[in-house]
Formats: sequence, C-alpha cells, structure tokens
Amino acid sequence: EIVLTQSPATLSLSPGERASLSCRASQSVSSYLAWYQQKPGQAPRLLIYDASNRATGIPARFSGSGSGTDFTLIISSLEPEDVAVYYCQQRTNWPLSFGGGTKVEIK
Amino acid sequence: EVQLLESGGALVQPGGSLRLSCAASGFTFNDYAISWVRQAPGKGLEWVSSISGRGTTTYYADSVKGRFTISRDISKNTLFLQMDSLRAEDTAIYYCAKDFAVTKHTVLAYFDSWGQGTLVSVSS
Repeated sequence: EIVLTQSPATLSLSPGERASLSCRASQSVSSYLAWYQQKPGQAPRLLIYDASNRATGIPARFSGSGSGTDFTLIISSLEPEDVAVYYCQQRTNWPLSFGGGTKVEIK
Repeated sequence: EVQLLESGGALVQPGGSLRLSCAASGFTFNDYAISWVRQAPGKGLEWVSSISGRGTTTYYADSVKGRFTISRDISKNTLFLQMDSLRAEDTAIYYCAKDFAVTKHTVLAYFDSWGQGTLVSVSS
C-alpha cells in the first residue's frame, strides 16, 4: 500500500500570502496524484488531477506540481474562502490512498 | 447538473448489516465508475470500494474486503454498498463519488462529484 504523508499538519497564513502544501509518497506514483479541498461540513472537491491539471472551475490561484514521490499544492494568494482541509490522493496502485490532510487557517 | 444522493445510514449494533444507496442523476450512469469513500468523525478520508461503469470491475480496501459488497443497478441509476459484519471502526460518513472521465470497464479514481454523505454509526 502506498502511504501519502502531508505536511505541515496545519498552516496559518494571512490573506494574500502564498500557501505551499506538501505531499510525499512512500513509493513513486508517477504523476497520478490528485488534490482535494474539504471545507467544514462539506464534501471534498477535486482541485487538481494528474499532479498539475486544474479541475473544471478551479481558480487559477491553485496550482500543483511534482512527480514521483514529491508533490506540492500552491495557493498563490490566500483568500478567506480557502480555509479548508486539503488532501492528496494517489491512483497509481490499488488500494487507493489519501494523505492525512493539511488544515489551512487564516490568521 | 450531476447529483449524487446517499441514503441508508443508521445506528447499528456490532455484527449487524446495513445497505447504503447512492441515487445518481445528471449524467449517463453506466458510463462512469463510482466509488465509496468514508470519513470517520474528525478524521481524514479513506477509500472503501470502487465499481466500473458497467459493473464489470470492482475493488475493495483490505479493511472491508469480504464484509462489504459494492453493486449498481443501471435501471435505477443507483449505487449500493452492502455492509455486513459491521465493526465499531466502520463508523463514518460514507460518501459516493463519481469518476471524472468515462470509465465503462475500469476505474480512473479521480473523483469530480461527491454526494453529501450518509452517517453510519456502529455501537452497542
């Protein structure tokens, strides 16, 4: 099973700042990695697939990069509505796996 | 507009059974794989099971293999999860989630549409 480790656990930033979230895989997942945003009380929303492709309707301030074992989600300029938990997910091997999440807060 | 509506969650005793449903609309149901993903209270996301669009391919997490069965009824546009031998650790919100590309006989496993979830509580 591929284990995804996300860091940091919590990120506290001011509006307009750049957020950088990390996801590290226990073995290579090539580029088969997605990022999801989950706001309190809501279902997750797909942000990024195949490591760097924005899903339909996702604002340009969200971007993804990486391949192999190291991946990054960048929020270029944090907005108050970006407060959420962000999860990475791999689809390279079964069983599918999610990272433990990074909580983004506004200072 | 794609809609997924889960139902069937309840409080059940350990060892009991439950069947969850996910009613789908707004897309060609048998063209897309759909999965179940759960979230224990205050915890992260955990993939549970997936089924291809035509129902020909299924996958299960080790934690539920042999206890849960995923299926779909194309005539009713509905996905099911039969849950047997339930344990306390199965307590979670269960979401159904649709693949973001056509996947008739496989599972792509990127999820672009999610339901709002149904709560399963396993306790005596």
